[in-house]
Amino acid sequence: GESVGLHLPTLSVQEGDNSIINCAYSNSASDYFIWYKQESGKGPQFIIDIRSNMDKRQGQRVTVLLNKTVKHLSLQIAATQPGDSAVYFCAEALGNQFYFGTGTSLTVIP
Amino acid sequence: KAGVTQTPRYLIKTRGQQVTLSCSPISGHRSVSWYQQTPGQGLQFLFEYFSETQRNKGNFPGRFSGRQFSNSRSEMNVSTLELGDSALYLCASMGASGDTSTDTQYFGPGTRLTVL
Repeated sequence: GESVGLHLPTLSVQEGDNSIINCAYSNSASDYFIWYKQESGKGPQFIIDIRSNMDKRQGQRVTVLLNKTVKHLSLQIAATQPGDSAVYFCAEALGNQFYFGTGTSLTVIP
Repeated sequence: KAGVTQTPRYLIKTRGQQVTLSCSPISGHRSVSWYQQTPGQGLQFLFEYFSETQRNKGNFPGRFSGRQFSNSRSEMNVSTLELGDSALYLCASMGASGDTSTDTQYFGPGTRLTVL
């Protein structure tokens, strides 16, 4: 089966700093990637996505970078706020099915 | 547009019982996927339904089953519950085409199942 790996299980950042969360994916045929945010007691919330024909996509305070050469995905959060504290998952899509990593827990220090 | 809804939000059962969870997708979405999430684990894929047909299936025992109705609402059933079935069960829906080349997947809030 597919595996989506996260480089770090936990990440702590100071409020106002930028955060970078990394993700490695295993299948070069995967053509669609999503980042989700999951707060305690809630379901995963869609943050941003990117298709394999792009290498960068920006949203509000978030940027996703895709490096297909090394099969790496990253999520950058600008000016991290306490409300950004959550677990972040990356997902890759292959054959109409999604595969998720275990997540990175982001803690924002006020 | 309303998001994905799941009922009930919390459920407590005892070993050996069975349980049925319900999911209503975003209006117009025809794909519904179910996932199990436990502490320390990622999201484990259970199955996906599209237009009332199971299209993909994960590696779970036959005690886990599901179905989808003509209005795209889906139910998941777990029979003969075990302690290890305690988890957050998440439902996600994807658009009218059910194709990741054009659609994305949105999650519901989940049903927290506790098996005693």
